[in-house]
Amino acid sequence: GENVEQHPSTLSVQEGDSAVIKCTYSDSASNYFPWYKQELGKRPQLIIDIRSNVGEKKDQRIAVTLNKTAKHFSLHITETQPEDSAVYFCAASDSWGKLQFGAGTQVVVTP
Amino acid sequence: DGGITQSPKYLFRKEGQNVTLSCEQNLNHDAMYWYRQDPGQGLRLIYYSQIVNDFQKGDIAEGYSVSREKKESFPLTVTSAQKNPTAFYLCASSLGLAGAYNEQFFGPGTRLTVL
Repeated sequence: GENVEQHPSTLSVQEGDSAVIKCTYSDSASNYFPWYKQELGKRPQLIIDIRSNVGEKKDQRIAVTLNKTAKHFSLHITETQPEDSAVYFCAASDSWGKLQFGAGTQVVVTP
Repeated sequence: DGGITQSPKYLFRKEGQNVTLSCEQNLNHDAMYWYRQDPGQGLRLIYYSQIVNDFQKGDIAEGYSVSREKKESFPLTVTSAQKNPTAFYLCASSLGLAGAYNEQFFGPGTRLTVL
């Protein structure tokens, strides 16, 4: 089955700097890669997603890149703000369409 | 995401008891899911359902059971056979399972604690 690895597990950045989170997946049939943000005690919220027919997608300060050959995808947050502090999860769909999640990255943005 | 509700928000269970967690959605989604979240870990799939009266085991189904008698509802029962049930349980739904319908919307979660 699909296996998703996510790095780093924790990431501390200064406000205004960029943050990058990387994920790798194992199933070459995966075709959908969402990223979720989860604040403490809250539900995960979709922040951006990418499908296998594109290599990059951007939404304001957030961008995701996908390298199908290497089976990895990354989340980029530019000009980080304190409200970006949260746990971020990557996920990849398996061949049945179910999502397999990474273990999460705790992002801390310090003023 | 406001179309998915879970109850209760907090639940306390004594060892040996079965408990049922509620999940309801009014998004007209066909697919529904149950995930378990433990501290420092990602979301692990317990059960999922693509249509009414059908459901499949996920990665960690042992000690859990579900039903899908209505499109809107997907309750999860944590049985006494689940050895370590203390966790945060999240329900989700999506239009469908594969293709263009993967986006999953999550409920607010139920925190279960075994006393």
